[in-house]
Amino acid sequence: KAGVTQTPRYLIKTRGQQVTLSCSPISGHRSVSWYQQTPGQGLQFLFEYFSETQRNKGNFPGRFSGRQFSNSRSEMNVSTLELGDSALYLCASSSEVTSGRLREQFFGPGTRLTVL
Amino acid sequence: DAKTTQPPSMDCAEGRAANLPCNHSTISGNEYVYWYRQIHSQGPQYIIHGLKNNETNEMASLIITEDRKSSTLILPHATLRDTAVYYCIVRIYTDKLIFGTGTRLQVFP
Repeated sequence: KAGVTQTPRYLIKTRGQQVTLSCSPISGHRSVSWYQQTPGQGLQFLFEYFSETQRNKGNFPGRFSGRQFSNSRSEMNVSTLELGDSALYLCASSSEVTSGRLREQFFGPGTRLTVL
Repeated sequence: DAKTTQPPSMDCAEGRAANLPCNHSTISGNEYVYWYRQIHSQGPQYIIHGLKNNETNEMASLIITEDRKSSTLILPHATLRDTAVYYCIVRIYTDKLIFGTGTRLQVFP
């Protein structure tokens, strides 16, 4: 089974621009979560989508948004980029719960965004 | 979600067991203990999880104290490739993972 894929892997933008990052989950996984990782704040949860609906949201400004498509692929968008948005953006997918067990999350390699 | 406390760094000799502790004194009855690791700049990798019983898989063992206020991840024979940041997370029925600062494990030859 192919893992979680994220595109692009690297991106350079300038302040004020917007950016869209893409995530393809493992085949059959319907839940996609996004995380931001910075040296100062560590790994922080952005949001989670399940069956095209946002199910959980972290504590980020409205400039950060996301969506999920019917094939479970997900995109996140950051508008009006700031220098502090430079980070590794990670996507994770998980499958339906089976037998009451919490499902594992499988992470992609991330997109490294640099804002100049 | 409950907060976890981990030592910032640990060293381990190659071939020896690495024992990584985690405190989660405010854990509630329905929260699981999960361990992930992150090798430099890659996505975190799931290792193991448990509720109250000790667990073992091909990667590691998880020992949870009877009161569930702390746990230990054991890598039985550490290799250089186990050098990574290890995160202990407690979570309930949600995909929202709250990562702490983790433990940076350095395995040396």
